[in-house]
Amino acid sequence: GAVVSQHPSRVICKSGTSVKIECRSLDFQATTMFWYRQFPKKSLMLMATSNEGSKATYEQGVEKDKFLINHASLTLSTLTVTSAHPEDSSFYICSARSSFGQPQHFGDGTRLSIL
Amino acid sequence: AQSVTQLDSHVSVSEGTPVLLRCNYSSSYSPSLFWYVQHPNKGLQLLLKYTSAATLVKGINGFEAEFKKSETSFHLTKPSAHMSDAAEYFCVVSDGEAAGNKLTFGGGTRVLVKP
Repeated sequence: GAVVSQHPSRVICKSGTSVKIECRSLDFQATTMFWYRQFPKKSLMLMATSNEGSKATYEQGVEKDKFLINHASLTLSTLTVTSAHPEDSSFYICSARSSFGQPQHFGDGTRLSIL
Repeated sequence: AQSVTQLDSHVSVSEGTPVLLRCNYSSSYSPSLFWYVQHPNKGLQLLLKYTSAATLVKGINGFEAEFKKSETSFHLTKPSAHMSDAAEYFCVVSDGEAAGNKLTFGGGTRVLVKP
């Protein structure tokens, strides 16, 4: 149980394009989803917290207009990297939890490469 | 504020020998503590969690961890390493409601298992 699916697993695109990453909870309703960024050989950095039906809460230093987050349903959240540039290349991971205090369950991540 | 320190960035063990991954934390409240494992280009899988019940926590794949409040430690152990245990391991703390149930990650420990 508690499966989180993230799509796509890998994307390569040209500088200036926008990229959308989906995060789905397959067998539970996720009231909260989280988006993390992981640099090579580094730990995870929380980018934002997304509650269903509400605006996302961004961590300090994360550009809201660059990283658009939508959490329109209890099973789907999306992260859109707008006008992506090479410095946005990274491994992005989402997680979801069913309710406050429950463990977060992680997707398999999306490796984004901007040329 | 909460923080996590994983004392070893790399650990190398021989197959069949014990594994010890060290973790120290700081927290303003009674924390929840987790160990996650990440295989290459994958998301994170929950190994075990401590949430103020028994101080010795058993997880999946033969791993266990002991919560020691006096030492502010939550070390992860496994009696006999398997080749499939080669991965990155993260110790994680959550201060619960006070911190919005956000997770704070340690820097990670990369485990190498030699045949």
